This record gives sequence, structure tokens and C-alpha cells, in this order.
Amino acid sequence: GAGVSQSPSNKVTEKGKDVELRCDPISGHTALYWYRQRLGQGLEFLIYFQGNSAPDKSGLPSDRFSAERTGESVSTLTIQRTQQEDSAVYLCASSFSQVGTEAFFGQGTRLTVV
Amino acid sequence: TQLLEQSPQFLSIQEGENLTVYCNSSSVFSSLQWYRQEPGEGPVLLVTVVTGGEVKKLKRLTFQFGDARKDSSLHITAAQPGDTGLYLCAGARGSNYKLTFGKGTLLTVNP
Repeated sequence: GAGVSQSPSNKVTEKGKDVELRCDPISGHTALYWYRQRLGQGLEFLIYFQGNSAPDKSGLPSDRFSAERTGESVSTLTIQRTQQEDSAVYLCASSFSQVGTEAFFGQGTRLTVV
Repeated sequence: TQLLEQSPQFLSIQEGENLTVYCNSSSVFSSLQWYRQEPGEGPVLLVTVVTGGEVKKLKRLTFQFGDARKDSSLHITAAQPGDTGLYLCAGARGSNYKLTFGKGTLLTVNP
């Protein structure tokens, strides 16, 4: 497809289990962002990838969170030993890296930890 | 410290009222954008402003970029229930034009 694709769209997991969320950005987009959004709240920055540069991981809330991106393609966000507080929608966005560039968001993955 | 501060965080108004939401920073941005997010969807771009002092209009929405390119405002005239959503501003900085998002203003327009 032409847009940012995220999978799964919904994930229910038991506390303590690991989960992996996937993001397929728009082809050619060098920048990729992960955000967390709790119910009724704004965006919480997690991590930013730009080409082959070292990622900006300053938003990751704990060492249970990690993310990878291979080149300028797919990214995965991994949450280890999930906690109930991790329940949220995880949004991925991608963009070109140029003035006035627009970020395109996926539909998000709704994660519920029970 | 949040690079982009949006205010108010929540706003609930009646249909027909006017409103303004703000996006402020101590940093200069090469461009600034406003997005709207509806429930269950990802945010979608409304407008991009690039020049200090720039004003753009999109039907009942008026966007302004501050002269110093550090802040922006979004004014909605005669709000309608369809305007309900989360309004996010995002600024681009640096050689890679990295986008930084504010936390958003959650607007509810009651019929």
C-alpha cells in the first residue's frame, strides 16, 4: 500500500510477556518515528530513526523498550516483560527529511496488557 | 522539558463558539505544522507554515506562524461538532528537519 502500515492493529498480551510491534513506512522516507498515546492523551515521543544515523532513543521510558530499523525500511518496537502501564496505542510515522516535510502516520497498534 | 508546549491541554466548547489554541517554544523552527487526529485514526496534516508571520486559512481555520518562528496559533471560527479531535503542532529543526510534536489540545465541540 501507499501509506504507513502497522501490525498488528490490536494486541492483547499477558503481563510479563514480550511483544513486538511492526511498522512499514512509506517507501523512500528516511525518517521514522515511534510515539505512544494513552487514552485521551497526546503523543509521547519514544524514538526517532534518520537514515543510517544513530537513533534518538531519548524518549524510551525504560530499558524494557527497544526498537530497530533496517536501513530505511521496516521498524520493530519491542516491549519486554510488559506491564499494565504499557497499555496504549503505539503510533508510527515516517517522512522525508526536507523543509516543510509532512509526517504520515499509521493507524497504530492498540496494546492491552492484562 | 517539552520542546513544544501546547495550550490549553483540553478544551470543551459549544457549537458556534470561536476558539484559539497555542503552540509555543523557546526554539526556532524551520517550519511548523498542525495536525488533527480523530478517534481511532492517526494524525493527519492540516497545514504547514514556513515563513515567520505567515498566516494561512483553511475554511474556518486560521493558522499563524510567529514572526520569530518560535510559536504558532490555530483559530477556529464558529466551531462545529465535526471539529472535535486532538490538534497537534509539530516543528521541524536541524539539518534533517526532525519533527518534534507537542502533546496536543483535545477539543470537544458540543452540539
